[in-house]
Amino acid sequence: GENVEQHPSTLSVQEGDSAVIKCTYSDSASNYFPWYKQELGKGPQLIIDIRSNVGEKKDQRIAVTLNKTAKHFSLHITETQPEDSAVYFCAASPGYSSASKIIFGSGTRLSIRP
Amino acid sequence: SAVISQKPSRDICQRGTSLTIQCQVDSQVTMMFWYRQQPGQSLTLIATANQGSEATYESGFVIDKFPISRPNLTFSTLTVSNMSPEDSSIYLCSVGRGAAADNEQFFGPGTRLTVL
Repeated sequence: GENVEQHPSTLSVQEGDSAVIKCTYSDSASNYFPWYKQELGKGPQLIIDIRSNVGEKKDQRIAVTLNKTAKHFSLHITETQPEDSAVYFCAASPGYSSASKIIFGSGTRLSIRP
Repeated sequence: SAVISQKPSRDICQRGTSLTIQCQVDSQVTMMFWYRQQPGQSLTLIATANQGSEATYESGFVIDKFPISRPNLTFSTLTVSNMSPEDSSIYLCSVGRGAAADNEQFFGPGTRLTVL
């Protein structure tokens, strides 16, 4: 089955700097890669996703890149702000609808230093 | 995205008892899932809640311990039975439309369970 590895487990960056979180996956059949942000005491929130037919996707200050050959994908947050502090999870799914199982990485706790 | 609510938001229970968690969605959805998130850990899928039929459980999870109901397309319940301290976790429901080329899953706020 699919295995998703995520690193680093913790990341501290200065406000205004960029943060990068990296994930690798094992199942070459995976074709959907969402990223979730979980704030303290809340459920995970889908912030951006990418499909295997796309190499990069951007939404304001966040971007995701996907390298299918190397089986890795990354989340990039630019101009970090205090409200970016949270736990971020990457995930991978082999299917073409939400009926397909999503496998989550272990999470990265991002702290933004003022 | 759908608005998802869970009840209760948190509870403290005694070992040996059972707790039923409710998940309500503001619109009809095809897919509903239940996840467990142990303290400081990632999310693990417990089961897929199927409307009108038995839930589909993942390896390591059984119906006797985690019975699930899904009477319609907007509501599901998860029961944690005969609880022990190891069941202390956040329990999350998620939903998906299930349409082709639509993989998105959205999560509820979670139920924080502490078992003494």
